[in-house]
Amino acid sequence: GENVEQHPSTLSVQEGDSAVIKCTYSDSASNYFPWYKQELGKRPQLIIDIRSNVGEKKDQRIAVTLNKTAKHFSLHITETQPEDSAVYFCAASTSSPGQDMRFGAGTRLTVKP
Amino acid sequence: NAGVMQNPRHLVRRRGQEARLRCSPMKGHSHVYWYRQLPEEGLKFMVYLQKENIIDESGMPKERFSAEFPKEGPSILRIQQVVRGDSAAYFCASSTDRSKNIQYFGAGTRLSVL
Repeated sequence: GENVEQHPSTLSVQEGDSAVIKCTYSDSASNYFPWYKQELGKRPQLIIDIRSNVGEKKDQRIAVTLNKTAKHFSLHITETQPEDSAVYFCAASTSSPGQDMRFGAGTRLTVKP
Repeated sequence: NAGVMQNPRHLVRRRGQEARLRCSPMKGHSHVYWYRQLPEEGLKFMVYLQKENIIDESGMPKERFSAEFPKEGPSILRIQQVVRGDSAAYFCASSTDRSKNIQYFGAGTRLSVL
């Protein structure tokens, strides 16, 4: 089955700096890669996703890149703000029936003002 | 659209009791997923269901845990004879047929076993 590894487990940056979180996956059939943000005590919320037919996607200060050959994808947050502080999870899945999404262990991002 | 609704939000049980967690998917969503999250840890997949069918239960413990998604009503995750190690947040997510990758999460049920 799919195995997703995420690094780093914790990340601390100064406000205004960039943050990068990296994930690798094992199943070459995976074709959908979402990123979720979870604030303390709250539900995970989808912030951006990418499918395997594109290499990069951007939404304001957030971007995701995908390298299918190397089987890794990354989340980039620019101009970080204190409200970006949260736990971020990557995930990978295929569109095959019975194949479900597997999550990375999470990265706790702290943005210091 | 009310989103994915889970209840109760908090559930306290004594060891040996049963816990029932409910999840109503978003309107129009026919796929439901259950995840368990231990404190300071990630989301662990438990089970994936469609209406009246269990599609993938590879993440669910073989004993004491069961899940269903009946034709009418919410999906239920049932934990029998709870133990302290079952204490966790249980999240439900749902998706549509056409974009079943994209999962939207409920607010979770926090189970505490005394």
